[in-house]
Amino acid sequence: AQTVTQSQPEMSVQEAETVTLSCTYDTSENNYYLFWYKQPPSRQMILVIRQEAYKQQNATENRFSVNFQKAAKSFSLKISDSQLGDTAMYFCAFTLPLIQGAQKLVFGQGTRLTINP
Amino acid sequence: GAGVSQTPSNKVTEKGKYVELRCDPISGHTALYWYRQSLGQGPEFLIYFQGTGAADDSGLPNDRFFAVRPEGSVSTLKIQRTERGDSAVYLCASSLIQNSPLHFGNGTRLTVT
Repeated sequence: AQTVTQSQPEMSVQEAETVTLSCTYDTSENNYYLFWYKQPPSRQMILVIRQEAYKQQNATENRFSVNFQKAAKSFSLKISDSQLGDTAMYFCAFTLPLIQGAQKLVFGQGTRLTINP
Repeated sequence: GAGVSQTPSNKVTEKGKYVELRCDPISGHTALYWYRQSLGQGPEFLIYFQGTGAADDSGLPNDRFFAVRPEGSVSTLKIQRTERGDSAVYLCASSLIQNSPLHFGNGTRLTVT
């Protein structure tokens, strides 16, 4: 079974700083997808960034980028120039390619990120 | 455009009662998912619909849980004889086609007293 581990329950940084959230996962498969989701107090899970395991290039989305280390099974999220609106729970998630057509996401336990003014 | 809508936003019920949670996906999205998020945890997969049929219900914890999507749009998650351990946020998500990104709703927070 696949597992996802986020070892930082909480993190706090000052506005405009850079912060890195850690995630490790365990799988015996070679092809899979990794995600970072943001969950603000509204409870909605918002996709931040997605990485396909077969792509060597790290994904980037504006201020968000990942460091994907396939051999180490590590998938960290870097947030540059952090903003107050980045305050939220962040979840790392994993899925194999479609199983019976389904994206069965496996989530980590989350990291609560606070951006201080 | 409208996102995934879930109702009610919050539901408080007594142990042993029956509850229904509703999910209205984004128009045109054929894939629909239910996840459950217990306090302090990440969401866990419950069930997946492709169209009207439940293609994968392997995450449902027991036979008290059941979900339907009769017309391939709105879905209802039904929980019989609720237990305190069922208390959680129930999240619904939909996607346009099978491998496109999931769009989540704001969830229903269920509290069983």
